[in-house]
Amino acid sequence: GEDVEQSLFLSVREGDSSVINCTYTDSSSTYLYWYKQEPGAGLQLLTYIFSNMDMKQDQRLTVLLNKKDKHLSLRIADTQTGDSAIYFCAESPNDYKLSFGAGTTVTVRA
Amino acid sequence: DAGVTQSPTHLIKTRGQQVTLRCSPKSGHDTVSWYQQALGQGPQFIFQYYEEEERQRGNFPDRFSGHQFPNYSSELNVNALLLGDSALYLCASSLEQGLSTDTQYFGPGTRLTVL
Repeated sequence: GEDVEQSLFLSVREGDSSVINCTYTDSSSTYLYWYKQEPGAGLQLLTYIFSNMDMKQDQRLTVLLNKKDKHLSLRIADTQTGDSAIYFCAESPNDYKLSFGAGTTVTVRA
Repeated sequence: DAGVTQSPTHLIKTRGQQVTLRCSPKSGHDTVSWYQQALGQGPQFIFQYYEEEERQRGNFPDRFSGHQFPNYSSELNVNALLLGDSALYLCASSLEQGLSTDTQYFGPGTRLTVL
């Protein structure tokens, strides 16, 4: 995960928007991904964006991609307590593997 | 539609032992990847299997080996276990479509503890 960097923690009030940021290094990544991991569970694919796109919206989720700066963000609108989890950004440096960041722990407070 | 399944859920072994973890891919998928997730870290790629062959490997020693069966299910074997092998082992499946990194779907993982 050393090629993908994320801030480690984010605390947000219920109903507010959350923004999780990520920087990656491999400009050849065709897709970039966001996964969610709840305690004791595996990874759930949230969304992904093709590298020639700037933005993708999927219900409460908005992904922004700045390819020049190799910066990816995930915005969660109207954050709920069920959104408390660890969020991983991942790049695809080749056709086979995903490279993950260390994850951002999101805590939603009432 | 069955998702990715893994067994067992938890496993406790002692140093020097060998372990086998199992994975069944999501229905319709033919490619299986294995990842190791140490506590507090992101998953690290171990290897990927397609058409019953290992086609790429991450930075893991030969103690880590795998197999894929004709029904696309897969096993991960770890020999001579070390304390540092304690981790959550995740299996991910995808469908090979000739596209760059077909989307991978993860199973719930196997928690391995080495004492």
